[in-house]
Amino acid sequence: EDQVTQSPEALRLQEGESSSLNCSYTVSGLRGLFWYRQDPGKGPEFLFTLYSAGEEKEKERLKATLTKKESFLHITAPKPEDSATYLCASSGGSYIPTFGRGTSLIVHP
Amino acid sequence: GAGVSQSPRYKVAKRGQDVALRCDPISGHVSLFWYQQALGQGPEFLTYFQNEAQLDKSGLPSDRFFAERPEGSVSTLKIQRTQQEDSAVYLCASSFPVEGGDTGELFFGEGSRLTVL
Repeated sequence: EDQVTQSPEALRLQEGESSSLNCSYTVSGLRGLFWYRQDPGKGPEFLFTLYSAGEEKEKERLKATLTKKESFLHITAPKPEDSATYLCASSGGSYIPTFGRGTSLIVHP
Repeated sequence: GAGVSQSPRYKVAKRGQDVALRCDPISGHVSLFWYQQALGQGPEFLTYFQNEAQLDKSGLPSDRFFAERPEGSVSTLKIQRTQQEDSAVYLCASSFPVEGGDTGELFFGEGSRLTVL
């Protein structure tokens, strides 16, 4: 059974204070590792897909990396508008993404 | 429409009542997913359609839950005899499969929040 574990559950940062979110996954035959952003009262919004260990993708202040067991979402010099819940998901043989519980990020000005 | 549309956005039901939640996916998207998201939790898979075929319904929590997509476009999630534990946000997502059959990026609607009293 596919499993995705995210840590920490919650993270408070000062504006400009860089940090990383962790996603540990267990899946048979990884087809994709996904990161989504979810704002309160909204559906998740796609950020990145990573397909193989060593792959990295960047978008503005966010960079996602992938190893054989984990993915990290690095946030560089965050701003208050980066406050949201960040969800990690993996898909394997069934093609159906399995989501973690998310990391709730608050960035204080 | 430009995105995935779900209705109603909010539904309050009395325990034992039947409810129907509608999802309008992005035009041309073959794959459609339903997820359930409880407060403070991640989305939990319910069921998956490819066109009109329901390929996986392993996540439906009981036989009170039923989903259909008869013409391969709009989908309805029906919950019969609602219970308090059914209270959650129900998210619909659609995608256009990428090469190799992978579901690719999911586009989510804003969800239907169900509260069962």
